[in-house]
Amino acid sequence: QVQLVQSGAEVKKPGASVKVSCKASGYTFTGYYMHWVRQAPGQGLEWMGWINPNSGGTNYAQRFQGRVTMTRDTSISTAYMELSRLRSDDAAVYYCARDLSPIQEQLRYYFDYWGQGTLVTVSS
Amino acid sequence: EIVLTQSPATLSLSPGERATLSCRASQSVSSYLAWYQQKPGQAPRLLIYDASNRATGIPARFSGSGSGTDFTLTISSLEPEDFAVYYCQQRSSWPPWTFGQGTKVEIK
Repeated sequence: QVQLVQSGAEVKKPGASVKVSCKASGYTFTGYYMHWVRQAPGQGLEWMGWINPNSGGTNYAQRFQGRVTMTRDTSISTAYMELSRLRSDDAAVYYCARDLSPIQEQLRYYFDYWGQGTLVTVSS
Repeated sequence: EIVLTQSPATLSLSPGERATLSCRASQSVSSYLAWYQQKPGQAPRLLIYDASNRATGIPARFSGSGSGTDFTLTISSLEPEDFAVYYCQQRSSWPPWTFGQGTKVEIK
């Protein structure tokens, strides 16, 4: 069965960086785009960007441009999201989520499998 | 940026009742709309995509309808496990892909 398992909770100081991992199993990792979505405490959901695990290509939401970097390691079926210059309003649960459609088809931007989430706390 | 407005914010119903949730877009998103269910401490779960297509494994009591700017998620008969927060999401207009603020379905 498809599983996305994320790394554990992080506590960071303002201005620092955080890197969250997402290990995929149960399907061909390079066969589906991976998205990252975050959710601030008690708030709604915010799409951050995607990575093509096959090519390494990325596309980021404009508001995160210059601060976010999405990478992958195909040898261990793991995607990563690094967010730099953290601010207090970056405190959130960060999710990886698989795109609904295989890479050879059109990106759907719907998310059918999600990781369990990684809580990032930003505090001085 | 397309804004999705969900109503009501909270829906208080009893098991067995019908739930009707609304999502209105600030401009047309055609049929490019999804619905997700989220329970406390869990990740969202895809229910409906392209306005009316049920995702794999989703029970038939969940249905979606609408196009353009007005969409509805209907749960025909609420089961105890259906009490949760529901979000709509559009993938029509870039950037970015946006979510509604959620509707909480609570036990009356």
